[in-house]
Amino acid sequence: DAGITQSPRHKVTETGTPVTLRCHQTENHRYMYWYRQDPGHGLRLIHYSYGVKDTDKGEVSDGYSVSRSKTEDFLLTLESATSSQTSVYFCAIRSMDLPGELFFGEGSRLTVL
Amino acid sequence: SQQGEEDPQALSIQEGENATMNCSYKTSINNLQWYRQNSGRGLVHLILIRSNEREKHSGRLRVTLDTSKKSSSLLITASRAADTASYFCATDPNNNDMRFGAGTRLTVKP
Repeated sequence: DAGITQSPRHKVTETGTPVTLRCHQTENHRYMYWYRQDPGHGLRLIHYSYGVKDTDKGEVSDGYSVSRSKTEDFLLTLESATSSQTSVYFCAIRSMDLPGELFFGEGSRLTVL
Repeated sequence: SQQGEEDPQALSIQEGENATMNCSYKTSINNLQWYRQNSGRGLVHLILIRSNEREKHSGRLRVTLDTSKKSSSLLITASRAADTASYFCATDPNNNDMRFGAGTRLTVKP
């Protein structure tokens, strides 16, 4: 068990509303990632963090922002949700024992109506 | 754009047969990894092969890496119904982020 939890696990919201997804880890790992998964696209990187207050964009960052004020929490925010952001969102943390190995959360399914 | 591309997109075999999935990538890498995802769950790491390795084994899994062709293959021998899942390759082109392909959906029929 990698000690990573996502919340909420399911959310239905309306277009234009703000949404925040939370990723919490108990492993004190430096690297944390947010991916979205859509049919036919696999996993696409949204943002990642390499330390407290250190974040960088991934390949599909438009419409998303992140924050990491403490090691254990990495927040993903949709300032104004759109239907195209309906997806399953996965958080991952990077193992320090085996460089490169990611541990994933169970996912957050977001539906934007 | 995605770094890795798996082939085939879907594969259906009988229990006991071997399953081979391929991955191609675009840029130089430090290592290549394979992950498995059961329906509705998060991804689970299977195996990592470093750029200076050509082949690696783990139980019924065999991974090969050809850096000159920028490709890798995952072989699952003597497949079981429980191997039914989606399989993804992942690479780290920038040493910070991890990029995944679209995956191969494997169905093993009992």
